[in-house]
This record gives sequence, C-alpha cells and structure tokens, in this order.
Amino acid sequence: AQSVAQPEDQVNVAEGNPLTVKCTYSVSGNPYLFWYVQYPNRGLQFLLKYITGDNLVKGSYGFEAEFNKSQTSFHLKKPSALVSDSALYFCAVRDSSFSGGYNKLIFGAGTRLAVHP
Amino acid sequence: EPEVTQTPSHQVTQMGQEVILRCVPISNHLYFYWYRQILGQKVEFLVSFYNNEISEKSEIFDDQFSVERPDGSNFTLKIRSTKLEDSAMYFCASSFDRSKNIQYFGAGTRLSVL
Repeated sequence: AQSVAQPEDQVNVAEGNPLTVKCTYSVSGNPYLFWYVQYPNRGLQFLLKYITGDNLVKGSYGFEAEFNKSQTSFHLKKPSALVSDSALYFCAVRDSSFSGGYNKLIFGAGTRLAVHP
Repeated sequence: EPEVTQTPSHQVTQMGQEVILRCVPISNHLYFYWYRQILGQKVEFLVSFYNNEISEKSEIFDDQFSVERPDGSNFTLKIRSTKLEDSAMYFCASSFDRSKNIQYFGAGTRLSVL
C-alpha cells in the first residue's frame, strides 16, 4: 500500500539557519513526490515535485528537496529559514505504476515548521 | 494568479441534514478532486472526477456522498445525511494535466456537524 510518513510533528529552527523537514514514502512503483505548504486559513499551496531526473529539486520560495531512492526519502530543505516560512508542510506521493484512476495523492500527516526570530 | 475557490469557508449543520460544498476549479483544468482532513489527522482522498464522471473514489466516499459539475465552472460535493464524523475540513483541488498532476487546492470548507 502507498504511504507517506512525516516523522516530526513540529520542527523548530532559528531564522537564518538551515531547515529540514523529513518525509519518507512507500510505493510499489516509481514515486511521484510533492511538497505542499499550508498557511493559516489558506489552501494547500504547491511547493515542488519530483517525477524523474535530478535528485535535487528546486521549488518556490527558495525551498528544495532531495530524492533518495535507497532511503525512500524526500526531505524538504532550505539553506536559510525565514520567519515567514512558518507554516504546515505536507509531503505527498502518487504511485506512477497505478494506471487506473486519476492520480490521487497520498499525504503525510504534516509537519509544523516554526521559525523563530 | 488563478486559484481554486471554495464556499462557504465554514458550514455548520445539524446531524442528518444535507450539505453542499461548492468549489470553482481553475478554469482550464480538467481533473477535479475532493479531499478531507479530520482535525489532527491526515489529508485523505475522497474522490476524483473527470469528463463528467467519477474516476476513482475511496472507501470513505459512500452512498451518502455525491459529486457534480452542474455547469462549466462549479464542482460540488453533497453529503445527503450528515453524521458527526463528517466534521472535517474539505478541500477541493483541480489539475490540468494528468501526467504532471500538480493539483491546486482551495482554502477549504470547514464542516461542523452538531
């Protein structure tokens, strides 16, 4: 069965420091991986995706994520955190081997990122 | 920037009542989805919709649920007889392209069943 794990409920980081939000996945085929961010009273906003190609994917707002097939991970990173990055972050996966249906996403539980001044 | 809009932002209803949650997907998108998030739990897939029919649904999406695209712009989720456990945040999403599958989400409707 497809699944996504975000092992940390909350990540705290000081402004200017690098941040990492962890995600591991389980799919039967090749994964399509996504990161979304949710600010208060807003919908889920797409940040970045990995489908094929370079393992390091760059996305919006200076975020990047590294796909690691051997560790089945897709951790979200940013070299220098901003207070405005404080939000709820969701990792999601779609199993590319699933030929039926239209691409439902399987989400992790979310990680709250708190960036302190 | 185009966005998915959902109304209302908060819906309060009595158990057993019918509710309709409304969504306006991005105008040139072809694939439509509903997800829900019970407080403190994961975002869960409910249903996907393409070419005026359901393409996939989860086991949560039982006979009490239905979806419709009544015109060229709206996409609705109806719950016929709400239960307490239907209380959740409901997200609508749309995508243009099946292969790239970047789904764009609305801000959600918080449904409170009393």
